[in-house]
Amino acid sequence: QVQLQESGPGLVKPSETLSLTCTVSGASISSYDWSWIRQPPGKGLEWIGDIYSSGTTNYNPSLKSRVTISADTSKNQFSLKLSSVTAADTAVHYCARRRSWYNWFDPWGQGTLVTVSS
Amino acid sequence: QSALTQPASVSGSPGQSITISCTGTSSDVGGYNYVSWYQQHPGKAPKLMIYDVSNRPSGVSNRFSGSKSGNTASLTISGLQAEDEADYYCSSYTSSNSYVFGTGTKVTVL
Repeated sequence: QVQLQESGPGLVKPSETLSLTCTVSGASISSYDWSWIRQPPGKGLEWIGDIYSSGTTNYNPSLKSRVTISADTSKNQFSLKLSSVTAADTAVHYCARRRSWYNWFDPWGQGTLVTVSS
Repeated sequence: QSALTQPASVSGSPGQSITISCTGTSSDVGGYNYVSWYQQHPGKAPKLMIYDVSNRPSGVSNRFSGSKSGNTASLTISGLQAEDEADYYCSSYTSSNSYVFGTGTKVTVL
């Protein structure tokens, strides 16, 4: 059974960089593609980007200039960095698996709220 | 890329059927059979309910079904139950090699 768990600071100051890690158990991150998705409080879901099993990345065009997704296969983790954050980046951030060549997200981590505030 | 359009809310009585629409464009919903649907209970992570327009993952009740016509996909819940009360989101692959979600629909069981 594949399980994902997000971790990282819950509070980030404006203009700084948001950093989160997703720890995967039950599957090797080298065997699948992985995604980050966010949800501002009370609002809908937004795809942030993917890291493929090959290590190649693919980002939401609206966030591309600020996003970096990377993987650490030795720890079976992948990470998200979002730079120059503002209050608009306050959201619950989810990591999820997206099987290579498939176009759905399953399973998801429980999510972690990151608040951008001074 | 704009979010796919869903009705803000849909309601029904127990046992009834309801349908949630998800409208996009020929660059997303209409262009690919890659629409998925997610159920989200308050404070919980989304759960995959339908993938590739009309396929149900193992373990999802057959009361949930999906379809698509042109640029609009639909999720139908038949035999509505109290446990179905949740938010529902559609998602589609896009011609930009990205993913877009719907605006979300709150389902209320009366």
